[in-house]
Amino acid sequence: GQSLEQPSEVTAVEGAIVQINCTYQTSGFYGLSWYQQHDGGAPTFLSYNALDGLEETGRFSSFLSRSDSYGYLLLQELQMKDSASYFCALGDSNYQLIWGAGTKLIIKP
Amino acid sequence: DAGVTQSPTHLIKTRGQQVTLRCSPISGHKSVSWYQQVLGQGPQFIFQYYEKEERGRGNFPDRFSARQFPNYSSELNVNALLLGDSALYLCASSELASSSYNEQFFGPGTRLTVL
Repeated sequence: GQSLEQPSEVTAVEGAIVQINCTYQTSGFYGLSWYQQHDGGAPTFLSYNALDGLEETGRFSSFLSRSDSYGYLLLQELQMKDSASYFCALGDSNYQLIWGAGTKLIIKP
Repeated sequence: DAGVTQSPTHLIKTRGQQVTLRCSPISGHKSVSWYQQVLGQGPQFIFQYYEKEERGRGNFPDRFSARQFPNYSSELNVNALLLGDSALYLCASSELASSSYNEQFFGPGTRLTVL
């Protein structure tokens, strides 16, 4: 089967940089996605890595290493509004997105 | 442009009852996926439909069924409700056939409570 692991909670300071890691086990997948979800809200798409390497979108960057079964989301210049849960998700060959349990990001002033 | 819409926003049912949840995708999107999200966990994939055909099914019992209409809207039906079915049900739409490798746009969800 497929599984993803993320830290349950990460704490950082406003203005700082934080990295949220995601390790996975799978026999094959298309790519790794990242979504943000505020409490009571719907998930919103942040980034997608089909190939190894770094993808940058504004303050957010995402990295994938297939050989290490590892990816991460990097958030720079943290703002209070970035306080949310962040999910990594694998896209498999059966049209499914398999999600991690999520990382709650707590930002302190 | 309107985003993904879902109805109802909240629903309270009792065990054994049946429920139908509705979703309208973003205009032009032909793919709809359904997810169940229990509090404190990530979304669990239930179904994906593209052009009115089921393309993917997650590990859910046969009590769960869905369909997609010619206008690409979709319904999720759950029969014989159990307490464990209490969750946020999310619908997502996307342009491409597979939810595996493209951005999905989520609706606000339907909060189902089973008593």
